[in-house]
Amino acid sequence: DIQMTQSPSSLSASIGDTVTITCRASQGIRNDLSWYQQKPGKAPQRLIYSVSSLHDGVPSRFSGRRSGTEFTLTISSLQPEDFATYFCLQHNTYPLTFGQGTRVDLK
Amino acid sequence: DVQLVESGGSLIQPGRSLRLSCKVSGFDIGDYGLSWVRQSPGKGLEWLGFMRSNSYGGTTELATSIRGRFFISRDDSKNMAFLQMNSLLPDDTGVYYCARDGVITAILAYWGQGTLVTVSS
Repeated sequence: DIQMTQSPSSLSASIGDTVTITCRASQGIRNDLSWYQQKPGKAPQRLIYSVSSLHDGVPSRFSGRRSGTEFTLTISSLQPEDFATYFCLQHNTYPLTFGQGTRVDLK
Repeated sequence: DVQLVESGGSLIQPGRSLRLSCKVSGFDIGDYGLSWVRQSPGKGLEWLGFMRSNSYGGTTELATSIRGRFFISRDDSKNMAFLQMNSLLPDDTGVYYCARDGVITAILAYWGQGTLVTVSS
């Protein structure tokens, strides 16, 4: 199985900050990488697919990049509604695998 | 709007069986594959399996951990998908989500709100 190593596991930030979350794949997954946001008691919602394409209705402060097998999610100018947990997902190879999640909370 | 609504979760004893349902609306189920994912405190998010659109044979991909115990099916005439879970273990406890995929590959584009399964005696 492809391992997705996500870091950090948590971070504290202030409104207006820029935060970056990283996922590293244990082998090549091309651009088959999505990012999700999950709030307590709710289902994950896709933010980004194919590394950098925004899901419908997702604000442009969310962006994604790839460098080899390392993928980053950047949230620019953090807003109150962005405090949540974020996951990456690789869907290049079965079984699909997720990162362990990054909790973003208010400093 | 794309909507998926899971149901069927409950408290159930180890060794028993349970069938979860996923009712979809806002899109033509026949045009998409569907996946099941579970989330538990100990294991995080775990993809369980995917069923392709019947246009592509309705074939399935399953996680090794559930093969032989869990089965995915669909009834496009009812806009529904199902997860049949047999020989349940305490480790199967978690929130179960269905998700809309692409036609032939799993991509987890849209998720339902989840249904809770608790396996305990």
